[in-house]
Amino acid sequence: DAKTTQPPSMDCAEGRAANLPCNHSTISGNEYVYWYRQIHSQGPQYIIHGLKNNETNEMASLIITEDRKSSTLILPHATLRDTAVYYCIVLPNDYKLSFGAGTTVTVRA
Amino acid sequence: AAGVIQSPRHLIKEKRETATLKCYPIPRHDTVYWYQQGPGQDPQFLISFYEKMQSDKGSIPDRFSAQQFSDYHSELNMSSLELGDSALYFCATARVTGASGNTIYFGEGSWLTVV
Repeated sequence: DAKTTQPPSMDCAEGRAANLPCNHSTISGNEYVYWYRQIHSQGPQYIIHGLKNNETNEMASLIITEDRKSSTLILPHATLRDTAVYYCIVLPNDYKLSFGAGTTVTVRA
Repeated sequence: AAGVIQSPRHLIKEKRETATLKCYPIPRHDTVYWYQQGPGQDPQFLISFYEKMQSDKGSIPDRFSAQQFSDYHSELNMSSLELGDSALYFCATARVTGASGNTIYFGEGSWLTVV
């Protein structure tokens, strides 16, 4: 299964864009990149996912490099409520979703 | 929109007792996953079911068992509870049949405290 590497933590100023990087250099051609976040002791919340094209929804944008070995999640206007642990996950074909360490994002006023 | 429903939300049990957690998937979802998250840890995969059959097994203790029923809801049974079983248990569901890149949705979790 493709593994991901994320920075352990990052700070972001409220109202600014937060760019969360993720490396997944061993991703296979048909594996999707998923992003979830977990606010303290709540269920992981789906944010966005993509295969090779950039994706955007009401929560975030996902930029995947052309070689698919890395991606960036962009929160366009971070708010205090975006403080959470963000998980970048490559989903294998068997749909077994495995969590790594994630990035703890702290949005500061 | 309907979400993944877990019950109970909170549960307190004594050591050596038995607990059962329930998960009700989003309509038309055919796959259920169970995760355990201890304090300060990342969620750990326990077990999954696809179309009522066990599809994968993770770090689930032998004291735990689970099944998916004909209506696709799932139950996680935990026996001979230990203090270390105290954790947040998540259920996640997805519709896997017929397409790739479908979204997996999580419930809010069930807090189990063993005293």
